[in-house]
Amino acid sequence: DQQVKQNSPSLSVQEGRISILNCDYTNSMFDYFLWYKKYPAEGPTFLISISSIKDKNEDGRFTVFLNKSAKHLSLHIVPSQPGDSAVYFCAAILYYGGSQGNLIFGKGTKLSVKP
Amino acid sequence: DAGVIQSPRHEVTEMGQEVTLRCKPISGHDYLFWYRQTMMRGLELLIYFNNNVPIDDSGMPEDRFSAKMPNASFSTLKIQPSEPRDSAVYFCASSRQGVGYGYTFGSGTRLTVV
Repeated sequence: DQQVKQNSPSLSVQEGRISILNCDYTNSMFDYFLWYKKYPAEGPTFLISISSIKDKNEDGRFTVFLNKSAKHLSLHIVPSQPGDSAVYFCAAILYYGGSQGNLIFGKGTKLSVKP
Repeated sequence: DAGVIQSPRHEVTEMGQEVTLRCKPISGHDYLFWYRQTMMRGLELLIYFNNNVPIDDSGMPEDRFSAKMPNASFSTLKIQPSEPRDSAVYFCASSRQGVGYGYTFGSGTRLTVV
């Protein structure tokens, strides 16, 4: 049973346009949501996160939106650049009484930004 | 800081052989995680440690898999005996306590069991 779902395995966008990557989750108790980016032959690297008590977090060209009622979050990249081409993982985490839980990942969306 | 260091980067072994994957976490990080990535299942957690103590090993697929963390700077994931379905990329990650974004991943070990 997947708790974090990324239903689009791939996305292709023109350079300069907006990329929107989507993620759905099932557990309403998640405390934090994160996006990781992964290039081939490298480990995932942290991109941006959002607390469950917020609905938006912005960092430069990257913005994450959280809709708790729909159990949905999205990552917007504006403007998209060829260097953004990578696999993007959505992840969620629970904290148990202040202790760290573990990151639960979606299966990833491969973004291709075409020049 | 050199980041999380995993070795080897690639491992090819024959079915039935023992395989040991190694990880050196970032100094000062309290948590260490072992993940496995496959096409079918994506990134799945195998086991994680807090202050060298295993906290949750429910993701370890079978008794053939074992993990240890003898000290704060070293962990191993062992598969004995290995099987072709164990072929995957294995990632180690570390983090500090209570930092929701602080997972730092190593570059992974690509394991091929033939």
